[in-house]
Amino acid sequence: AQSVTQLGSHVSVSEGALVLLRCNYSSSVPPYLFWYVQYPNQGLQLLLKYTTGATLVKGINGFEAEFKKSETSFHLTKPSAHMSDAAEYFCAVSEAGGGNKLTFGTGTQLKVEL
Amino acid sequence: DVKVTQSSRYLVKRTGEKVFLECVQDMDHENMFWYRQDPGLGLRLIYFSYDVKMKEKGDIPEGYSVSREKKERFSLILESASTNQTSMYLCASSFLAAGRGNEQFFGPGTRLTVL
Repeated sequence: AQSVTQLGSHVSVSEGALVLLRCNYSSSVPPYLFWYVQYPNQGLQLLLKYTTGATLVKGINGFEAEFKKSETSFHLTKPSAHMSDAAEYFCAVSEAGGGNKLTFGTGTQLKVEL
Repeated sequence: DVKVTQSSRYLVKRTGEKVFLECVQDMDHENMFWYRQDPGLGLRLIYFSYDVKMKEKGDIPEGYSVSREKKERFSLILESASTNQTSMYLCASSFLAAGRGNEQFFGPGTRLTVL
């Protein structure tokens, strides 16, 4: 069965600092990996995804993530945090067997301070 | 723009009431999903459907049922609401074709409080 672990339920960074949100997964099949963002009082929005091919994936709003098979990781980064990045971030892995079911991590709340 | 709409943003119901949460998508997606979101637990799948009148249980189906009579509409039903069903409910949809890489599109959520 697939599972996702997000280290750190809350992360706080200063504006302009590097953002690093950690995600490790386990999967019985080659993983398809996703990062979603949830702004307050909204649904989830896709930031980026990895399916096959290039392991460094670029997404919206300056975010990127690197798939590292040897480390079973898919960490999300952004070089310079902005106040508007404050939100909750979810990592997810697509389950085997099709149907597009996702297994989500428990989320990381990102706080950006002046 | 893909749009997934949910019938209510906020809902307050009493214990024992029958509750209907409605979700409509306008992108002709085959797949539709219902999740509940609780602090510290992330999103957990309640039910999903990959076609009209088809449904499959997710990870936490107990106390819930679903209905999909039309492709664009997926309803979540709480037959007899209980206080432990107080939560944020999120609906999502996606294409079925091309395997596991399809993005799920989410609605804004319904925050349900059961008193």
